[in-house]
Amino acid sequence: DVKVTQSSRYLVKRTGEKVFLECVQDMDHENMFWYRQDPGLGLRLIYFSYDVKMKEKGDIPEGYSVSREKKERFSLILESASTNQTSMYLCASRPVGFGGEKLFFGSGTQLSVL
Amino acid sequence: TQLLEQSPQFLSIQEGENLTVYCNSSSVFSSLQWYRQEPGEGPVLLVTVVTGGEVKKLKRLTFQFGDARKDSSLHITAAQPGDTGLYLCAALMEYGNKLVFGAGTILRVKS
Repeated sequence: DVKVTQSSRYLVKRTGEKVFLECVQDMDHENMFWYRQDPGLGLRLIYFSYDVKMKEKGDIPEGYSVSREKKERFSLILESASTNQTSMYLCASRPVGFGGEKLFFGSGTQLSVL
Repeated sequence: TQLLEQSPQFLSIQEGENLTVYCNSSSVFSSLQWYRQEPGEGPVLLVTVVTGGEVKKLKRLTFQFGDARKDSSLHITAAQPGDTGLYLCAALMEYGNKLVFGAGTILRVKS
């Protein structure tokens, strides 16, 4: 059974803290994504990665960075958390090639920045 | 302004009723997907439509892709409480390689 695992379901952090959100997939997928989900706005793409050590900015990269040192792991970093980064964060992966349009999502991390 | 407009934003109906959710854009899609997301979980893919005019059925769910590939609809027949969730459409635009998501439709089916 395919699996995308996000390390935390809930996180509470203080303004200014450095925050790491971890995501691991066990499907050997090349592509991985980080989205944030806010009511009424749907899913917005923060960053994505086509391969190890490769990263591309999505639609809302400001205030975030990412790391992909291994194929199965994609980390989202908030260098200095702010209250407007309170949101649900979703990690996803997909393979290249046939069936490559389907995204497999983790269960999400609800981050609250106080 | 959302690139993909979903309507309605919220729908509350009784068990057994029918409903339709719409997803529209002024741009042409290469393909369109529908996802369902239950509380506390990530979205799960229901269907992908690729060809203009295409109709796909998944039990009581019927998905339609517009002839011009700019719109899509999801119709649920005889809704059940288990259909409750957030329904998201996501489009791969004709020129581009990223999925764009709509804001979603929250469906609540009361028993």
